[in-house]
Amino acid sequence: GQSLEQPSEVTAVEGAIVQINCTYQTSGFYGLSWYQQHDGGAPTFLSYNALDGLEETGRFSSFLSRSDSYGYLLLQELQMKDSASYFCAVRSQAGTALIFGKGTTLSVSS
Amino acid sequence: DAGITQSPRHKVTETGTPVTLRCHQTENHRYMYWYRQDPGHGLRLIHYSYGVKDTDKGEVSDGYSVSRSKTEDFLLTLESATSSQTSVYFCAISVSELAEYNEQFFGPGTRLTVL
Repeated sequence: GQSLEQPSEVTAVEGAIVQINCTYQTSGFYGLSWYQQHDGGAPTFLSYNALDGLEETGRFSSFLSRSDSYGYLLLQELQMKDSASYFCAVRSQAGTALIFGKGTTLSVSS
Repeated sequence: DAGITQSPRHKVTETGTPVTLRCHQTENHRYMYWYRQDPGHGLRLIHYSYGVKDTDKGEVSDGYSVSRSKTEDFLLTLESATSSQTSVYFCAISVSELAEYNEQFFGPGTRLTVL
């Protein structure tokens, strides 16, 4: 089967850097993606890694190591508005649907 | 905004009653998905569709059925609602050109309570 593991909670202060790790088990690999979800809102896409290495999008970066079945989301210069849940996801072996991790709740304090 | 709407946005119903949730998209995308979200479980796939009348089961499909008679509409039906189906339901679409289907766009969600 397919599964993803990520920490349930992370706390940090404004201006800091935080890293959210994700390890996955999957029979076939079609990329690792990250989603953000604010309380009461819908998940929104943040980033996608198909190949090893770092992808940077503004204050957010995502890293992938396929040999280690591991990735992380790096959030820099944290702001209060970054307080949200973050999900890693892989594509389902059966098709185009996504399998999500259980999510990491990030709390940013001042 | 990928033009995805869900209706109703909130619903309270009683155990044993049938419930249908609607997902509507305006951009004629082929792939559509229904997920449920529960505390401690993240998002779990219920059913998905890869075209009109083409659907398949996901991880938690028991107790749910779907239909897609038009490209723009994907319906999720709970034939006989149970309290364990109290959840937030999200519809999503994906576009092949965007990160090989890894980028999905989600609707606003439907909060369903089964008493």
